[in-house]
Amino acid sequence: GAVVSQHPSWVICKSGTSVKIECRSLDFQATTMFWYRQFPKQSLMLMATSNEGSKATYEQGVEKDKFLINHASLTLSTLTVTSAHPEDSSFYICSAAPPSGGDTQYFGPGTRLTVL
Amino acid sequence: GQNIDQPTEMTATEGAIVQINCTYQTSGFNGLFWYQQHAGEAPTFLSYNVLDGLEEKGRFSSFLSRSKGYSYLLLKELQMKDSASYLCAVRDYNDYKLSFGAGTTVTVRA
Repeated sequence: GAVVSQHPSWVICKSGTSVKIECRSLDFQATTMFWYRQFPKQSLMLMATSNEGSKATYEQGVEKDKFLINHASLTLSTLTVTSAHPEDSSFYICSAAPPSGGDTQYFGPGTRLTVL
Repeated sequence: GQNIDQPTEMTATEGAIVQINCTYQTSGFNGLFWYQQHAGEAPTFLSYNVLDGLEEKGRFSSFLSRSKGYSYLLLKELQMKDSASYLCAVRDYNDYKLSFGAGTTVTVRA
């Protein structure tokens, strides 16, 4: 199946700092990517839809100024957690769907963020 | 929006069969997906149903009834490595977003 990568796999940062997470589709172009957050023993919650060349669409309750999304190319979307706090500690997962629409989204391996 | 329900936990013996049910209420349906997720890892795609009926893929099968808002994932010949969380997800007709259920943790015992 299609491959989506994320970097870094895990990151530990101090409260108040910003962290950037990259999501890349390695073998197809993705005009749309999705960013999810997953807390321990909970399901995936969609944070935002990243659209290449336009602004991201955020889900209700997700602060767009805190979670900055940039979809600069057809293979790269970035999520920046600004002024991170301990409650932002979570597992962040991106996904991308092939342009044909296809039958699934392909998930990246996830990024474990711990804010001290 | 979507409202997706699935059991929290299930336990079964190695070699047995387990059926995980998922019910959903949706404002716009464009397919139902099942994913497997091991602890600390991202979900991996198992199956996709958009029409009524049964889809079989090796030891895993998935069934959909759109009129009942119901699906199940059937895991046969259970192996220890099948111990994981299984997520039911519904795709929206308009924007292709996926909404996930809370997941069912399956524990396979020897």
